[in-house]
Amino acid sequence: KQEVTQIPAALSVPEGENLVLNCSFTDSAIYNLQWFRQDPGKGLTSLLLIQSSQREQTSGRLNASLDKSSGRSTLYIAASQPGDSATYLCAVRIKAAGNKLTFGGGTRVLVKP
Amino acid sequence: EAQVTQNPRYLITVTGKKLTVTCSQNMNHEYMSWYRQDPGLGLRQIYYSMNVEVTDKGDVPEGYKVSRKEKRNFPLILESPSPNQTSLYFCASSPPVLGLAYNEQFFGPGTRLTVL
Repeated sequence: KQEVTQIPAALSVPEGENLVLNCSFTDSAIYNLQWFRQDPGKGLTSLLLIQSSQREQTSGRLNASLDKSSGRSTLYIAASQPGDSATYLCAVRIKAAGNKLTFGGGTRVLVKP
Repeated sequence: EAQVTQNPRYLITVTGKKLTVTCSQNMNHEYMSWYRQDPGLGLRQIYYSMNVEVTDKGDVPEGYKVSRKEKRNFPLILESPSPNQTSLYFCASSPPVLGLAYNEQFFGPGTRLTVL
């Protein structure tokens, strides 16, 4: 059974510092991995999608890497801003489970001004 | 605007009173799914639909029903809600599968359900 873990569960950084968020998964037979942002009491916003054949994806200040063989993905957010404060979730889609996403528990980020 | 909508956004009800949470997408997506989010348990899939009239159970289907009569709509039905179904519910959709690559899922804003 696929398990997805995000450590740490919470992170606090001063404004301007780079953020590094980790995601690990136990089954490397994935189709893709998706990073989401969730604001308190709100829905999920898709940030980046990395296909299993890709090593990384970039969007603005965000960069996500994928190492399938070691079961890891890292989301980098450059020059953090208070508006980046949110919970970040990673989710993997595995080959044995159709289009289902298996989510990690999330990392709650606070960027202090 | 391309989006997934859910209604209602907030609902407080009592045990045993049937309810339906609607989900609609305007992106012509074939795949739709329901998840629930609970503290300490994360997001878990309830039901999913690969296409019209095709639905299947996810990880936590007990106490829920779904239907997919039209491509754009995927309602979640709680025939007899119980307090353990108090949760934050999300509907999601994604485009058709292209080869072996599954596309990203788009999520609705969520429905916060409280069952007393």
